[in-house]
Amino acid sequence: DAGVIQSPRHEVTEMGQEVTLRCKPISGHNSLFWYRQTMMRGLELLIYFNNNVPIDDSGMPEDRFSAKMPNASFSTLKIQPSEPRDSAVYFCASSQKVGQGNQPQHFGDGTRLSIL
Amino acid sequence: RKEVEQDPGPFNVPEGATVAFNCTYSNSASQSFFWYRQDCRKEPKLLMSVYSSGNEDGRFTAQLNRASQYISLLIRDSKLSDSATYLCVVNEAGSNTGKLIFGQGTTLQVKP
Repeated sequence: DAGVIQSPRHEVTEMGQEVTLRCKPISGHNSLFWYRQTMMRGLELLIYFNNNVPIDDSGMPEDRFSAKMPNASFSTLKIQPSEPRDSAVYFCASSQKVGQGNQPQHFGDGTRLSIL
Repeated sequence: RKEVEQDPGPFNVPEGATVAFNCTYSNSASQSFFWYRQDCRKEPKLLMSVYSSGNEDGRFTAQLNRASQYISLLIRDSKLSDSATYLCVVNEAGSNTGKLIFGQGTTLQVKP
């Protein structure tokens, strides 16, 4: 079975450029999460969706960050304009929300983003 | 106070040793608990869920103490391949959205 698929795996770009990260969750999962990980700050939740609807974007650092989930099988995280401090590994994860329980999340391989 | 706290380590142990990690969580209403493993430059991967009665998976044993609000992970007969960062994970209490809170992780180095 395919896991969470993220693209690109690596992105190097100059500051000021627009960056778009993509994620395909596991089929049948109804929750999708975007995380950012750095050595200094660890794993940070940026935003998450339930049934394609954004539930909490309080982790999005600034207005330069935006995320969409137009359908159950695709989500994007966009940074515009990008800055060097945005350099990090960005993970997408998905899970199946069932009743009152919390299922574990499954992570994609991540996108390593470097802003020069 | 952080919602999920772990000793960052590193824990340096010889092969074959038994090592235990603890984690505390702040919200007594949390209901779901997990241990994840993250290798260097890789994504976090689910190691095991943690159940109230405690559970074991091979060399790994997880325990939950609700009264004290801590979770433990015991690794027996440690292998070189166990070297990784272990993340303690708790659901966001009071939410029904699947949001999980990740600890900062405990780093384990198993030496030959």
